[in-house]
Amino acid sequence: DAKTTQPNSMESNEEEPVHLPCNHSTISGTDYIHWYRQLPSQGPEYVIHGLTSNVNNRMASLAIAEDRKSSTLILHRATLRDAAVYYCILRDDTDKLIFGTGTRLQVFP
Amino acid sequence: DGGITQSPKYLFRKEGQNVTLSCEQNLNHDAMYWYRQDPGQGLRLIYYSQIVNDFQKGDIAEGYSVSREKKESFPLTVTSAQKNPTAFYLCASSLVGSSYEQYFGPGTRLTVT
Repeated sequence: DAKTTQPNSMESNEEEPVHLPCNHSTISGTDYIHWYRQLPSQGPEYVIHGLTSNVNNRMASLAIAEDRKSSTLILHRATLRDAAVYYCILRDDTDKLIFGTGTRLQVFP
Repeated sequence: DGGITQSPKYLFRKEGQNVTLSCEQNLNHDAMYWYRQDPGQGLRLIYYSQIVNDFQKGDIAEGYSVSREKKESFPLTVTSAQKNPTAFYLCASSLVGSSYEQYFGPGTRLTVT
């Protein structure tokens, strides 16, 4: 069973920031929080991951709550190419990724 | 260029036939994975391997088989025992450990009629 909860869909306008939430109340101390996104008929693409501290990379930022029971993926300026399904996943020491149904992000021009 | 290749992109088979999906990586990753995706759903893990000559069942291994004879290759066979084989199949690889990201191939869409 997926260990994360995400909204089914979200909308944004182009060039606006997008905050994609994820709840993971059963997270354990060694679970990493990973985010992937998937375009139609393509394989998922890695976005970002973190353990405790907030993380930034060229694609996005990841804000992790102090108790680690939730996190937020931040796209600073959405573009049409960011329209995809975003998956928030906990990766534990069994090394597996357990995918939920993700959040479908629509970006409007 | 480093990456993961899956072939073919589209595959059509008759019911009752076994079919093997190819997955190759040149990223020097020890771990490789096979997932299945049905329309509108997330990915589900079929099999994974963290080292050559060893592999473990995922959540939906029934009707599938794998081999890992080489580090670079992790072929998946969809057998006739798989009741609903039509799906999008994705292969991934990574370094071993939960702090590493997985890299996914472009997928193979299998249709069985």
